[in-house]
Amino acid sequence: SQTIHQWPATLVQPVGSPLSLECTVEGTSNPNLYWYRQAAGRGLQLLFYSIGIDQISSEVPQNLSASRPQDRQFILSSKKLLLSDSGFYLCAWSGRGNYEQYFGPGTRLTVT
Amino acid sequence: AQTVTQSQPEMSVQEAETVTLSCTYDTSENNYYLFWYKQPPSRQMILVIRQEAYKQQNATENRFSVNFQKAAKSFSLKISDSQLGDTAMYFCAFRAGNNRKLIWGLGTSLAVNP
Repeated sequence: SQTIHQWPATLVQPVGSPLSLECTVEGTSNPNLYWYRQAAGRGLQLLFYSIGIDQISSEVPQNLSASRPQDRQFILSSKKLLLSDSGFYLCAWSGRGNYEQYFGPGTRLTVT
Repeated sequence: AQTVTQSQPEMSVQEAETVTLSCTYDTSENNYYLFWYKQPPSRQMILVIRQEAYKQQNATENRFSVNFQKAAKSFSLKISDSQLGDTAMYFCAFRAGNNRKLIWGLGTSLAVNP
């Protein structure tokens, strides 16, 4: 069966520090991968999605970036965090023939 | 542009009773998919149920069922025999058949009271 992992689960970082969040999927190959951000009590905002290695689309212009160095690995990064980057970050995957997305457990990021 | 609207920010229901969450959407597509996701306090996003627009029969998953009204562009979720573990945010989502992205509603916070 397929599983999706995210780490770290919780992160507290000062303003101006770098960020790296990692997401990996097991049990499937060539998935579509997604990064979302969710502010407290709000809906989901799609940040990036990827249909393959080094094939990434950005949905929101900001100081975040994403990379997909391997088929089942998706990384969210920032060179310098802003206070507004605080939130809950969710990674998701979908199969080539499926239309639903499956989510990881999320990372709670607090920028201080 | 495609949109998803959940008009009920908060709802509550007594344990063992039935509750219906509303969702409407707007699209000019004919081939699309609709989903309900549940996000409990742990914040893990869980797929509850899916509906293909080309299917007339409403989807059901145990205590969860949908009322899909394609002409009205309505996709409500009915939870029967509500349980305390159903307390969560519920999100309605839409995906056009040729699009990899989901369009999300803002969610309905459901509290199941003992």
